[in-house]
Amino acid sequence: DIQMTQSPSSLSASVGDRVTITCRASQSISTNLNWYQHQPGKAPRLLIYGASTLQSGVPSRFSGSGSGTDFTLTISGLQPEDFASYYCQQSFTTPVVVFTFGPGTRVDFK
Amino acid sequence: QVQLVESGGGVVQPGRSLRLSCAASGFTFDNYGMHWVRQAPGKGLEWVAVISYDGSNKYYGDSVKGRFTISRDNSRNTLYLQMNSLRAEDTAVYYCAKENVYSSTWYNTFYFLDYWGQGNLVTVSS
Repeated sequence: DIQMTQSPSSLSASVGDRVTITCRASQSISTNLNWYQHQPGKAPRLLIYGASTLQSGVPSRFSGSGSGTDFTLTISGLQPEDFASYYCQQSFTTPVVVFTFGPGTRVDFK
Repeated sequence: QVQLVESGGGVVQPGRSLRLSCAASGFTFDNYGMHWVRQAPGKGLEWVAVISYDGSNKYYGDSVKGRFTISRDNSRNTLYLQMNSLRAEDTAVYYCAKENVYSSTWYNTFYFLDYWGQGNLVTVSS
């Protein structure tokens, strides 16, 4: 099984900061990597799929990069509504699609 | 617009059963695979189970395999999760989610969960 790790597990930041979250897979997953935002009491929200493609409606301050085993989510200019937890997710087909989430990164207000 | 509305959660004793439902609208339900994802208190998101668009294929996470059953009724646009032999560690908010796919080429096919329900709390406690 492919294991996902994220770093840091939490971080404190201020409005306007540039924030970078890293996700690592235990083996190459090409660019089969998605990023989600999750705020308490709300449904998780897809931000990026295919490692770097922005989901429709997601602000352009969010960006993703990487391939193989190392991936990055960057928030350029943190906004108040961005304080949340962020999860990376990889997929494989069995033939149905199975997902594995990373452990998450919580972004708190400094 | 796409809507996914979960129901059926609540408090249940260890060892008992519970069935969650997820009513879907705003899209052609029988065209898409559907998933259950959960979040235990203070923990991260955990993928639980998937069912193919026609119900013919299913797959489960190791922590629920043999105890949970995912199913769907495409005539009612509804997804289900039958949870048996519940344990305290099954306490979580359960989300249903719609699968989607993007293909630019045959070797660039990406799967993701593009719509989620609001979640339904299941508490397993005596």
